[in-house]
Amino acid sequence: AQSVTQLDSQVPVFEEAPVELRCNYSSSVSVYLFWYVQYPNQGLQLLLKYLSGSTLVESINGFEAEFNKSQTSFHLRKPSVHISDTAEYFCAVSAKNRDDKIIFGKGTRLHILP
Amino acid sequence: DTAVSQTPKYLVTQMGNDKSIKCEQNLGHDTMYWYKQDSKKFLKIMFSYNNKELIINETVPNRFSPKSPDKAHLNLHINSLELGDSAVYFCATAGRPNTEAFFGQGTRLTVV
Repeated sequence: AQSVTQLDSQVPVFEEAPVELRCNYSSSVSVYLFWYVQYPNQGLQLLLKYLSGSTLVESINGFEAEFNKSQTSFHLRKPSVHISDTAEYFCAVSAKNRDDKIIFGKGTRLHILP
Repeated sequence: DTAVSQTPKYLVTQMGNDKSIKCEQNLGHDTMYWYKQDSKKFLKIMFSYNNKELIINETVPNRFSPKSPDKAHLNLHINSLELGDSAVYFCATAGRPNTEAFFGQGTRLTVV
């Protein structure tokens, strides 16, 4: 079975500063990895995903995440955050070659300080 | 045209009542889910359906009964509502169970 750990429940950061949201996973098989974002009072939206190929994946709004197999990590980064990035961010994992469910982490609240 | 739509968006009801939440998707996906998100934002899968068949039931009380009349719909019926059922319930769909899920906007259920 897969599991995912988001060590930080909350990350405060000043506007225009860089941020990294940490995600580590555990799995005995190859995985797919996802980051989802949940803005206040909304559903979850896919931010980016790693399925195969390049280990660095990017989103359209400046976020990126790097799949690191040796460290079993998929940290999310942004070089300069904006107030509109305030949201809850969920890391998720699923088994690559099995029709099994996606497992979500407990989420990290990104709090942008003016 | 919303890909995954849930109704109602808000639901306030008294303990002991029975209520339903509806979910419809127009993505043609085979897999549909119900998730429960508590006040701490923890997201927990409740049920997963694939082609109208139940494939995952995550030890949810049997007061909760999902029903899939067709591939595009997965409704959630809750009997004898309890205070602890208060949460946001999300419907989601996926092409396959292990691929990216598309979420509805959620139904905020408040039991008083």
